[in-house]
Amino acid sequence: VQLVESGGGLIEPGGSLRLSCGASGFTFRIARMNWVRQAPGKGLEWVGRIKSTEDGGTTDYTAPVKGRFTISRDDSKNTLYLRMNSLRTEDTGVYYCTTDLTVNYAFDIWGQGTMVTVSS
Amino acid sequence: SYELTQPPSLSVSPGQTAGITCSGHRLGERDVSWYQQKPGQSPVLVIYEDSKRPSGIPERFSGSNSGNTATLTISGAQAMDEADYYCQAWDSSVVFGGGTKLTVL
Repeated sequence: VQLVESGGGLIEPGGSLRLSCGASGFTFRIARMNWVRQAPGKGLEWVGRIKSTEDGGTTDYTAPVKGRFTISRDDSKNTLYLRMNSLRTEDTGVYYCTTDLTVNYAFDIWGQGTMVTVSS
Repeated sequence: SYELTQPPSLSVSPGQTAGITCSGHRLGERDVSWYQQKPGQSPVLVIYEDSKRPSGIPERFSGSNSGNTATLTISGAQAMDEADYYCQAWDSSVVFGGGTKLTVL
């Protein structure tokens, strides 16, 4: 069971970036997937989630990213995405994808994270 | 919005019991999870549904939740338990506590 994030990097304020999270070892298409971020030296912050396609594939986001970030999934590729627009310096941090595979709302599988730095 | 409050730090000697608290309005009515995060690593789930341990988590980790406070207890803390610990619950969205840095020395 594995999650592997990619796509992070250095981006200027106002720019856009797309993160990817490849999943393996479990049935991705029925999994509810989440993004969690962590600013340098700070705590964990939930970014948002996407339900499984069979549950409607609906999304929810934390207030600071609503309207700027979009979570999507491609079940044929076992891949989760996070599209980030209008990036701000406060979006800097490590972005983790995670899922509650066994128990609802208990995140038992985490990726290694990918670093996003928003700076001019 | 719902908030979870944790003490920023806790220090115990090896072999002592560490109790990390997490406070929130009527938290006892919600399921609480706890995560351990060591420097440079991803979080690891150590307690879910208030008191259950995932496979592979040592028995010295236990949890409780009642009233407005959930507690993660590490009985006989070891040097390897030194880490940041986060509580988490679900309101209308996922909420994490601010984290507690546990020092064992």
